[in-house]
Amino acid sequence: QVQLVQSGGGLVKPGGSLRLSCTTSGFIFTDYYMSWFRQAPGKGLEWVSYISSSGTTIYYADSVKGRFTISRDTAKRSLYLQMSSLRAEDTAVYYCAKPGGANCGSSTCYTDYWGRGAQVTVSS
Amino acid sequence: DIQMTQSPSTLSASVGDRVTITCRASQTISSKLAWYQQKPGRAPNLLIYKASTLETGVPSRFIGSGSGTEFTLTISSLQPDDFATYYCQQYNDYLFTFGPGTKVDIK
Repeated sequence: QVQLVQSGGGLVKPGGSLRLSCTTSGFIFTDYYMSWFRQAPGKGLEWVSYISSSGTTIYYADSVKGRFTISRDTAKRSLYLQMSSLRAEDTAVYYCAKPGGANCGSSTCYTDYWGRGAQVTVSS
Repeated sequence: DIQMTQSPSTLSASVGDRVTITCRASQTISSKLAWYQQKPGRAPNLLIYKASTLETGVPSRFIGSGSGTEFTLTISSLQPDDFATYYCQQYNDYLFTFGPGTKVDIK
């Protein structure tokens, strides 16, 4: 069955860095783009970043552009989010997400599987 | 950018009630609309995709409809497990915008 196992959250000071990881199993990793979403405390869901199945197409939300870097490692079946210059407003639970449906390599699809989430807290 | 709105923001209902949540997109998204249920401390759970297709394993009391810019999620007979927050999401573009959510609580 599909599994998305997240790691790497924690407490970091403003201006600091953190790397989130998402190790996947149960599906053909190279067939799907992958995404990160986040949810600030008491708030709704927000898309953060997208990487195509080949890794050649990458998008970021304006709120994280220039500070976050998404990447993927096919051999390790893993997705990453390198976060730097962190701000208090980046405090959130971060979810990695797998799309569902056909042709989800480089188009846009709904999300059928989510990781359990990683808490990122930015505070001095 | 596509904006998504939902109404109501909160809905108080009783077990057995029929409830309807509305989601509107600021521009047409065809049928590229999904509905998720989220409970506190948990990841979202996919209910409906392509506006009206029920995800495998989701009870048939969840019904999605609509296309273009206006969509609805109906729960035909509310069950105790359905008290949660519901989000619509467009996947017509890579911004994957969500509605602000509708919290369904116990009347």
